[in-house]
Amino acid sequence: NAGVTQTPKFQVLKTGQSMTLQCAQDMNHEYMSWYRQDPGMGLRLIHYSVGAGITDQGEVPNGYNVSRSTTEDFPLRLLSAAPSQTSVYFCASSRGVRGNGGYTFGSGTRLTVV
Amino acid sequence: AQSVTQPDIHITVSEGASLELRCNYSYGATPYLFWYVQSPGQGLQLLLKYFSGDTLVQGIKGFEAEFKRSQSSFNLRKPSVHWSDAAEYFCAVGGDGTGFQKLVFGTGTRLLVSP
Repeated sequence: NAGVTQTPKFQVLKTGQSMTLQCAQDMNHEYMSWYRQDPGMGLRLIHYSVGAGITDQGEVPNGYNVSRSTTEDFPLRLLSAAPSQTSVYFCASSRGVRGNGGYTFGSGTRLTVV
Repeated sequence: AQSVTQPDIHITVSEGASLELRCNYSYGATPYLFWYVQSPGQGLQLLLKYFSGDTLVQGIKGFEAEFKRSQSSFNLRKPSVHWSDAAEYFCAVGGDGTGFQKLVFGTGTRLLVSP
């Protein structure tokens, strides 16, 4: 049981480049979310999904796109990378209240934009 | 809007001593409350959660937390800290209805354990 798998673990981008952060879970969880973690700011919600085909914005969505074509996958796209997007990104999934309720987190992607 | 305050950025505790990490939340409806722990370079691991019922909840690794609605608090406690507990701890709040999936995290408390 792999849980939540994020790839890549590390990435360096140049300003203006685009890329996709991959996230996959094998627990058949309905809910999936993307967070970014910055020093002194905790985790902030970027986008989330309550099921395949349904996504919505979180607290800091600008510059990011998501899609949820399957239950398992929830990729995060950076459209035109900026230095302000240098951060650690975490994907998380949950069965919601009907399950154990807590989110299971991936190990993160550390992104640097130069 | 929901929010979480963890007033202590750093806490140092001697090994074997008791620990209490503070968490205050703001949420307009029934809150779901969580504590997560993050070791350096790792993801977050769920320690415990509160949805309803008994206000004292037990978690993994010997941690417990008490929900106090009147104080809007959900403090994390451990009676005897081990060196392996050194990590960063995050409190988070979500809610029923459409709020559950939008967990809001505090800024974290870094726990240092001295010998």
